[in-house]
Amino acid sequence: NAGVTQTPKFRILKIGQSMTLQCTQDMNHNYMYWYRQDPGMGLKLIYYSVGAGITDKGEVPNGYNVSRSTTEDFPLRLELAAPSQTSVYFCASSYPKGLVNEQFFGPGTRLTVL
Amino acid sequence: GDSVTQMEGPVTLSEEAFLTINCTYTATGYPSLFWYVQYPGEGLQLLLKATKADDKGSNKGFEATYRKETTSFHLEKGSVQVSDSAVYFCALSEFGSSNTGKLIFGQGTTLQVKP
Repeated sequence: NAGVTQTPKFRILKIGQSMTLQCTQDMNHNYMYWYRQDPGMGLKLIYYSVGAGITDKGEVPNGYNVSRSTTEDFPLRLELAAPSQTSVYFCASSYPKGLVNEQFFGPGTRLTVL
Repeated sequence: GDSVTQMEGPVTLSEEAFLTINCTYTATGYPSLFWYVQYPGEGLQLLLKATKADDKGSNKGFEATYRKETTSFHLEKGSVQVSDSAVYFCALSEFGSSNTGKLIFGQGTTLQVKP
């Protein structure tokens, strides 16, 4: 199993440009998540999905969009990049069992908006 | 809302020293608690977990006990190694009616272990 994979690893965008961060998992997990990690701030939830065709906003969704057409893929779209979106983005997936929801994380995408 | 507070870092220790990283939480229900570790340049990995009061999670020499009375989940290790240098995140997850399994993270604590 490759687990959770993310592409690209690094990207530099100009203000106003758009891009899609890709996330794929091969563990057949129905739950998927997008987080951003700012220095010294921990991780903040952007969007999440509890299954194909179902998405919902997290704590910091403004400026982002997601879709979930398959169980495996959960792309994150930035439409008009802004310097405030400079961050490291992590995708995660999980398959809740009882009280435990262990999330598995991808290696991250480091995005800089100039 | 629910929240997690960790002790400020960075924490710098010598090899074989005792480690404690404090974590306290605020939650309206009965959360599961986690410690994740992030090694340089990598994503987060689950280190240990506990799902109910007085549970002790343990892994790789690290331990944490779920203390409901003090709403704490402090991470400890008796003898740290250079390879333990990483950022440690405390997190909670509530499975309420929404069943989203969302994680709420603390801000992270950087540990540096010197030879």
